[in-house]
Amino acid sequence: GDSVTQMEGPVTLSEEAFLTINCTYTATGYPSLFWYVQYPGEGLQLLLKATKADDKGSNKGFEATYRKETTSFHLEKGSVQVSDSAVYFCALSLNAGKSTFGDGTTLTVKP
Amino acid sequence: ETGVTQSPTHLIKTRGQQVTLRCSSQSGHNTVSWYQQALGQGPQFIFQYYREEENGRGNFPPRFSGLQFPNYSSELNVNALELDDSALYLCASSFGTGGGLGGDYEQYFGPGTRLTVT
Repeated sequence: GDSVTQMEGPVTLSEEAFLTINCTYTATGYPSLFWYVQYPGEGLQLLLKATKADDKGSNKGFEATYRKETTSFHLEKGSVQVSDSAVYFCALSLNAGKSTFGDGTTLTVKP
Repeated sequence: ETGVTQSPTHLIKTRGQQVTLRCSSQSGHNTVSWYQQALGQGPQFIFQYYREEENGRGNFPPRFSGLQFPNYSSELNVNALELDDSALYLCASSFGTGGGLGGDYEQYFGPGTRLTVT
């Protein structure tokens, strides 16, 4: 079946450090790919998305490129802030609104 | 524009009881998906409703059921609660065309209902 694998956390970084969170997927078709962020006590917020190979999604300084050849969608940010501390989920969707999520990666940014 | 809302925020039930969770979709959306998020895990797809009909189901037993109303709001019902049903239940709304292939539909999530089964 379809699945998403994220790098295990937690990840702890100092402010202004470079962030990479790895995500790979397995899908029977040609999915759209998403990164969501979840702050404590809140639901999920869409951070960015990409719908076809080589697409780059970007938002709030975060970027991820849809790599079909490596079935990956790694999340990157050049300079993290304390306010970026949250849980990040990689997800795929082959069918409208039916998404498969990874287990999440907890990011803590220290001042 | 009103976002996705869920009620109640928190709920405590006893094993064997039944529970109903509610979700109001975002204005203009016709599709509601429900997810279960156990502690420390990613959300798991339960089922989806499109225009009042179930439109796909994940690996959950029949005691998980749902409804969608003409205004596209939705309910999730769980019968015969088990301890493992303790989780955050998330509702997500989107605008879809009935479940054809294509995952480009953005989902907007509500804040969730925290269910504790004792």
